[in-house]
Amino acid sequence: SQQGEEDPQALSIQEGENATMNCSYKTSINNLQWYRQNSGRGLVHLILIRSNEREKHSGRLRVTLDTSKKSSSLLITASRAADTASYFCATDERGSNYKLTFGKGTLLTVNP
Amino acid sequence: AAGVIQSPRHLIKEKRETATLKCYPIPRHDTVYWYQQGPGQDPQFLISFYEKMQSDKGSIPDRFSAQQFSDYHSELNMSSLELGDSALYFCASSLLTHTDTQYFGPGTRLTVL
Repeated sequence: SQQGEEDPQALSIQEGENATMNCSYKTSINNLQWYRQNSGRGLVHLILIRSNEREKHSGRLRVTLDTSKKSSSLLITASRAADTASYFCATDERGSNYKLTFGKGTLLTVNP
Repeated sequence: AAGVIQSPRHLIKEKRETATLKCYPIPRHDTVYWYQQGPGQDPQFLISFYEKMQSDKGSIPDRFSAQQFSDYHSELNMSSLELGDSALYFCASSLLTHTDTQYFGPGTRLTVL
């Protein structure tokens, strides 16, 4: 069953703007991770936030987690054309032996 | 740094044929996961292994089987291939004591004709 839903499904912005992607999930989790995927390529790990954390930063990335609302957001600041990719959230459900359940993904297009 | 290696990178098969996908985890990683990503879809968990034992099973068809070997590499065997099996197959590895982050390989693109 699908755990996460991402919003929006597609996002198009201009270089230099900020991009915000949201993810919702349904069960209790150990952590939530964000991955990036260029078209038809591998999944690159971006950032992990644990269930007891509320916010985390890594370079131009900022992730928030609200376990009461079962939602997370990924903010990419000062976007670049090279940020164009699909972004997936993935949750590690409690008691799941660490398997990841992915959201539907957001296709981000950054126009130069 | 060494990454997860998958082979082959591309594979073309006919319906009803068999295929074997291989995964070599990051050195010292003891846990391997397999995921399937259909066209335009999100990755779906298939199966995982820890220390050569199956640790979890997802939506893996009975036509598929997998194992992890003593050197921790893993193989996904797919028989009686169907058109719907065409997808990207990812392997990921992690270290049990640091299971938080799974590192993904580049994937094997399987096309069934």
